[in-house]
Amino acid sequence: DTGVSQNPRHKITKRGQNVTFRCDPISEHNRLYWYRQTLGQGPEFLTYFQNEAQLEKSRLLSDRFSAERPKGSFSTLEIQRTEQGDSAMYLCASNSYGTGGNTGELFFGEGSRLTVL
Amino acid sequence: KQEVTQIPAALSVPEGENLVLNCSFTDSAIYNLQWFRQDPGKGLTSLLLIQSSQREQTSGRLNASLDKSSGRSTLYIAASQPGDSATYLCAPKDSGYALNFGKGTSLLVTP
Repeated sequence: DTGVSQNPRHKITKRGQNVTFRCDPISEHNRLYWYRQTLGQGPEFLTYFQNEAQLEKSRLLSDRFSAERPKGSFSTLEIQRTEQGDSAMYLCASNSYGTGGNTGELFFGEGSRLTVL
Repeated sequence: KQEVTQIPAALSVPEGENLVLNCSFTDSAIYNLQWFRQDPGKGLTSLLLIQSSQREQTSGRLNASLDKSSGRSTLYIAASQPGDSATYLCAPKDSGYALNFGKGTSLLVTP
């Protein structure tokens, strides 16, 4: 169990470019979450997957944002036509509930920091 | 929408002190509450998870308590060390899919 893995750790891009972040959750976890965090704030929920199904999207997730989780394994978060306001840390987390003693404890990755110039 | 407040926003203590971090939340119908630690520029590390049926959980020098009916949780850190310096976040889990976070308490433990 290597924990939640996120790539890239840092991304600097120019305004208007597209960026994609990848998250590999803990292997036995069927639930995956994306959060965004700006300086001095707590993480804000963006979207949630149960297996491959995207079950909830925050109103923070504008039309320029899209997330996928093909085959219920890794997930990608794409931001199109980036704006300076998109600069933030993008955090991925995973957990499971119910079976095998899973308590629902949420585990986070190290995050992907985006800087839009 | 669940609102989470953490007090104090920042705290500076000398090494060796015992300290208490406070978390309050507006919707007491929660399933569990999780405490996290975050170092600058890093992700969140889970410290303790308290289920709604529990009153407290302990891990080493950390003890978290939960009073669901009053919408409060506290994180007690015994014999603080400089390595405890970080931001501490609490997150109650209600009927929604996601955890809701406050802004956290920034802790500095000085040698």
